Amino acid sequence: ILNVEQSPQSLHVQEGDSTNFTCSFPSSNFYALHWYRWETAKSPEALFVMTLNGDEKKKGRISATLNTKEGYSYLYIKGSQPEDSATYLCARPTGGGNKLTFGTGTQLKVEL
Amino acid sequence: GAVVSQHPSRVICKSGTSVKIECRSLDFQATTMFWYRQFPKQSLMLMATSNEGSKATYEQGVEKDKFLINHASLTLSTLTVTSAHPEDSSFYICSARDPGSKTDTQYFGPGTRLTVL
Repeated sequence: ILNVEQSPQSLHVQEGDSTNFTCSFPSSNFYALHWYRWETAKSPEALFVMTLNGDEKKKGRISATLNTKEGYSYLYIKGSQPEDSATYLCARPTGGGNKLTFGTGTQLKVEL
Repeated sequence: GAVVSQHPSRVICKSGTSVKIECRSLDFQATTMFWYRQFPKQSLMLMATSNEGSKATYEQGVEKDKFLINHASLTLSTLTVTSAHPEDSSFYICSARDPGSKTDTQYFGPGTRLTVL
């Protein structure tokens, strides 16, 4: 992995379903991994900053895990609701940590 | 939480004109702001890092004379697209880092959709 990759590109789930998606990144020189949620017509909102291998962070029904040795992070949403519909972006610091390099995002749509 | 505003949200202009986009940190002072551009179905691409009181640092391939950045105060950075052409049509979004934050979290504005006719 040369850069930040996210999969799947898009996802449709039913209300109440639990779902998860992946962010892959270079495992060498790991510093941190950021997750953002970006709803249409709004500003991207910071969800988590993950730094330690094995980290697990939680915010309401959303949680994230981190594996720095194999270079991936999972974002989980439990009991998806329509308001969870958004694009979820992950990013890693580059350029000495001052800049963020983003993945292309996973677009989640939760249907009633 | 930290709030960043961006203005305008949408602008349509004629080819050859210049367009200025403002990015403001509303409840914190930002020594560093970032300007991104997003092409359809692609990720946010960093264009430049805006440093208060000094010259912006541009990413490789970004023309500094085309995309003028000014960060004259701790709460305002502007991006001016000079002599805009249709290929400059895109979504531009800024972010700012809160120096008081313990993490490198960037706080984003809502973005500006630029259409050049």
